[in-house]
Amino acid sequence: SQTIHQWPATLVQPVGSPLSLECTVEGTSNPNLYWYRQAAGRGLQLLFYSVGIGQISSEVPQNLSASRPQDRQFILSSKKLLLSDSGFYLCAWSSIGTGQPQHFGDGTRLSIL
Amino acid sequence: GQQVMQIPQYQHVQEGEDFTTYCNSSTTLSNIQWYKQRPGGHPVFLIQLVKSGEVKKQKRLTFQFGEAKKNSSLHITATQTTDVGTYFCAGWTGANNLFFGTGTRLTVIP
Repeated sequence: SQTIHQWPATLVQPVGSPLSLECTVEGTSNPNLYWYRQAAGRGLQLLFYSVGIGQISSEVPQNLSASRPQDRQFILSSKKLLLSDSGFYLCAWSSIGTGQPQHFGDGTRLSIL
Repeated sequence: GQQVMQIPQYQHVQEGEDFTTYCNSSTTLSNIQWYKQRPGGHPVFLIQLVKSGEVKKQKRLTFQFGEAKKNSSLHITATQTTDVGTYFCAGWTGANNLFFGTGTRLTVIP
């Protein structure tokens, strides 16, 4: 069966520090991969999605970036975190093709001090 | 741009009462999906509707897709405390992105 791993579960970082969140999927090949951010008590904001290795689409301008160095690995990064980057970051995967259900990781709670 | 709105934003019900959340899209959807996010957890896929006017049931949950494929509803009969959480609809327009609704947070009072 397919599983998705996301770490760390919680992270406290100072303003201006770098960020690297990693997400890996097991049990499936060539998945579509997604990064979302959820502010407290709010909906899901799509940050990036990827349909293949090295293929990244950005949905919102920001100081975050994403990379997909391997088929089942998706990384969210920042060179300098802002206070506004605080939130709940969720990685998700779906089977290849459009309209497929998305399956989420447990998320990372990021607090910027 | 594409927008998917949900109402109400919050709903408090007594255990045993019914609950309904409504989802409205600004454009026609290829399909609509529903997700549940428990407090502190991550969204979990519940169901997908594809056909115009489609109705699907999962135990006490009834999902409906509008005839024009621009709106949907989720109805829970006789709520239980295990139903607590935020319910999101999410619509596909045929592109690569799933547009999530704003969510309805359900509180069930025992």
